[in-house]
Amino acid sequence: DAKTTQPNSMESNEEEPVHLPCNHSTISGTDYIHWYRQLPSQGPEYVIHGLTSNVNNRMASLAIAEDRKSSTLILHRATLRDAAVYYCILRHGETLGAGSYQLTFGKGTKLSVIP
Amino acid sequence: GAGVSQSPRYKVAKRGQDVALRCDPISGHVSLFWYQQALGQGPEFLTYFQNEAQLDKSGLPSDRFFAERPEGSVSTLKIQRTQQEDSAVYLCASSRGLETYNEQFFGPGTRLTVL
Repeated sequence: DAKTTQPNSMESNEEEPVHLPCNHSTISGTDYIHWYRQLPSQGPEYVIHGLTSNVNNRMASLAIAEDRKSSTLILHRATLRDAAVYYCILRHGETLGAGSYQLTFGKGTKLSVIP
Repeated sequence: GAGVSQSPRYKVAKRGQDVALRCDPISGHVSLFWYQQALGQGPEFLTYFQNEAQLDKSGLPSDRFFAERPEGSVSTLKIQRTQQEDSAVYLCASSRGLETYNEQFFGPGTRLTVL
């Protein structure tokens, strides 16, 4: 599986935008970029995913570089509830047989939000 | 609607005891995944099911671990003769299907402590 690289930690002030980077230089053409986050003492939750075009939903935006070797998760106005570990994950877009379906987490980026 | 539930939320076992961890997926979700999360690490894949069929168990760390989903709904992860290194949070996730576009919905996890 292609690997992702994220900073270990980041800080943001409350109500300011946050840009969480992810590098995936070995991404293949059929890999989708997924983001999950894990709040303290909870299971991970889905945030957003994309393939080539930038994506927006009610939680966040995903900006994907033109060469797809990096992406950025954007939280437009950080709140205290956004303090979590954010995981950038690549998922194969085609059925490749057993072993293709689970999520492969790294260590993620721990986001702290300062009131 | 109800999310993924797991029980118990906390389990303390003496070394050598057997434990059983239960997962109730979202109704109608055919895919079910188990992950293990050590302290300070991202979740790691253990096994997954499509309905009652266990399609991949390559992540199970030893033959002391096994999982079942006999009726294609509730799943149980069993650990025999627990060891201290089994201490972790065990996460269950379900999804509508195995396709990449299906997000995984996680339960809150079961924190297992082996003394």
